[in-house]
Amino acid sequence: NAGVTQTPKFRVLKTGQSMTLLCAQDMNHEYMYWYRQDPGMGLRLIHYSVGEGTTAKGEVPDGYNVSRLKKQNFLLGLESAAPSQTSVYFCASSYSLAGGRRGQFFGPGTRLTVL
Amino acid sequence: AQSVTQPDIHITVSEGASLELRCNYSYGATPYLFWYVQSPGQGLQLLLKYFSGDTLVQGIKGFEAEFKRSQSSFNLRKPSVHWSDAAEYFCVGSGGYNKLIFGAGTRLAVHP
Repeated sequence: NAGVTQTPKFRVLKTGQSMTLLCAQDMNHEYMYWYRQDPGMGLRLIHYSVGEGTTAKGEVPDGYNVSRLKKQNFLLGLESAAPSQTSVYFCASSYSLAGGRRGQFFGPGTRLTVL
Repeated sequence: AQSVTQPDIHITVSEGASLELRCNYSYGATPYLFWYVQSPGQGLQLLLKYFSGDTLVQGIKGFEAEFKRSQSSFNLRKPSVHWSDAAEYFCVGSGGYNKLIFGAGTRLAVHP
């Protein structure tokens, strides 16, 4: 049982390049989330999914797209990276919406730098 | 608007000393409240949670938190800090529905 895994762990992009971050969970959770973490701002929700084939916008969705083609995977895409997207990205999953009584389970994070 | 505030950005304590990390929330109704810990280079781990009932909740690693409605607070405490407790701590609220509201975090340093 690996929990929530994220690939890659680190990435450096040039402005305008694209990339996809992969999140995978093996806990059969319905709900998955992508956050970004910036100094002094805690975590902010980018997009989330309430089930396979569904996605919704969070607090800071601009510049990102997501897909949930399989229940266990949640992909975060940057079509044209900008320096403002330099951040640490966390994926999370949960049994119930917003985590409910068990909270959310977080991956180890992906550190992305956009030059 | 819903919000979670952690007034202290950095706290330093000596190993063996007691610890209290402050958290204030602003919600229309009683929220679900959580404390998460993030060790350097790691993801977030759930320490404890409050939903209803007993206002003093126990968590993992010897942590506890007390929900005080009159003060809109959910402070995290530990009677004796260990060097391994050095990390960043996040107070988090959920008003239900779809999102968690994160505080900005408090970074804890532990002196030997």
